[in-house]
Amino acid sequence: IAGITQAPTSQILAAGRRMTLRCTQDMRHNAMYWYRQDLGLGLRLIHYSNTAGTTGKGEVPDGYSVSRANTDDFPLTLASAVPSQTSVYFCASSGDAGGNVLTFGAGSRLTVL
Amino acid sequence: GQNIDQPTEMTATEGAIVQINCTYQTSGFNGLFWYQQHAGEAPTFLSYNVLDGLEEKGRFSSFLSRSKGYSYLLLKELQMKDSASYLCAPMDSNYQLIWGAGTKLIIKP
Repeated sequence: IAGITQAPTSQILAAGRRMTLRCTQDMRHNAMYWYRQDLGLGLRLIHYSNTAGTTGKGEVPDGYSVSRANTDDFPLTLASAVPSQTSVYFCASSGDAGGNVLTFGAGSRLTVL
Repeated sequence: GQNIDQPTEMTATEGAIVQINCTYQTSGFNGLFWYQQHAGEAPTFLSYNVLDGLEEKGRFSSFLSRSKGYSYLLLKELQMKDSASYLCAPMDSNYQLIWGAGTKLIIKP
């Protein structure tokens, strides 16, 4: 099935633990993005990648890191989780950076206690 | 700074018409997107406007006025399945999307 797969769907995590959210797309899209969505706020960009091998910081990058070793995969890592990172995380992709429609994954709900 | 303003919540009746407004201030402008997001699901693309005027797509239409920093989404012949949040997202000069908090639309029978 063409699209974006995120894992895990949901996770409860103790503060201080390391966590990696996985994102894989099979549409051969160049650009990929990680957003977080919190109640009452718009989607906020954490990190992005315009093409394999490159990454950039978004609006709220602190506490998060990403890598883009190949076109398909774009994992998001929380090195040491804190309660303020409790959120729903969406991975998205587009054909190219700039002006193209985003396709979103189903989201990963993360709770940090 | 960059800012998006859209109503938090709206209620409409099945079969009616509803207009969801969005005003924005961005550093440069490269078009505006509307996305639909059902509760607990991912956002999905509805429309994209880059020039002034109305774009019609079935029951949904989207309007843009760049000089006024204003857009609206018009939904006709409302159905229960249209109950969702509608996200306004203009694109700034760096081609970054600036997302509004969304308008939760409640459809009543």
